[in-house]
Amino acid sequence: EAQVTQNPRYLITVTGKKLTVTCSQNMNHEYMSWYRQDPGLGLRQIYYSMNVEVTDKGDVPEGYKVSRKEKRNFPLILESPSPNQTSLYFCASSFRFRVSANEKLFFGSGTQLSVL
Amino acid sequence: GQSLEQPSEVTAVEGAIVQINCTYQTSGFYGLSWYQQHDGGAPTFLSYNGLDGLEETGRFSSFLSRSDSYGYLLLQELQMKDSASYFCAVLGNTGKLIFGQGTTLQVKP
Repeated sequence: EAQVTQNPRYLITVTGKKLTVTCSQNMNHEYMSWYRQDPGLGLRQIYYSMNVEVTDKGDVPEGYKVSRKEKRNFPLILESPSPNQTSLYFCASSFRFRVSANEKLFFGSGTQLSVL
Repeated sequence: GQSLEQPSEVTAVEGAIVQINCTYQTSGFYGLSWYQQHDGGAPTFLSYNGLDGLEETGRFSSFLSRSDSYGYLLLQELQMKDSASYFCAVLGNTGKLIFGQGTTLQVKP
């Protein structure tokens, strides 16, 4: 089954404790992206990757890191989480993100993160 | 800057028609997409408009006017299961897909 898999689904942690949220897709997609969703603010892009070893900042990259060492995986790393990073996180992928094309995003099921 | 505006909430009754508007201001423009999200779930793709005009997919239609920087999602024959949040999203020349804040649709019996 074609899907984007995120883990964990729920995570409670404490300030300053490094964590990684994993994201994997099995559709051979080139484009992958991370979003955070907060009430009233919609989906805001954190980082995106056009292809392996190519990553770029989205609109809210502060406090996050990503890597794209292989095509299928795009982990999100919080080196020193803070309470303002408490949010619902979504990973998404698309076959290719040509700016002139209709390339729909496939989203993972989300990770609800709470930083105490 | 880049911004999208859509109403925060819309309420309609089962069987009715509802229109959710989206106006945008972006650096370059390549298309307008719509996504549906049920409470706590993942967003799912509904439609895309790259050119002016109406795109129809079953009970859902989406419209774009590039000259007016405006689009809408039209939902017909509303069903209770259509209660969800709907997001418009614009692809600009930065390679980023920018989402609106979302419109919560409540369908009442």
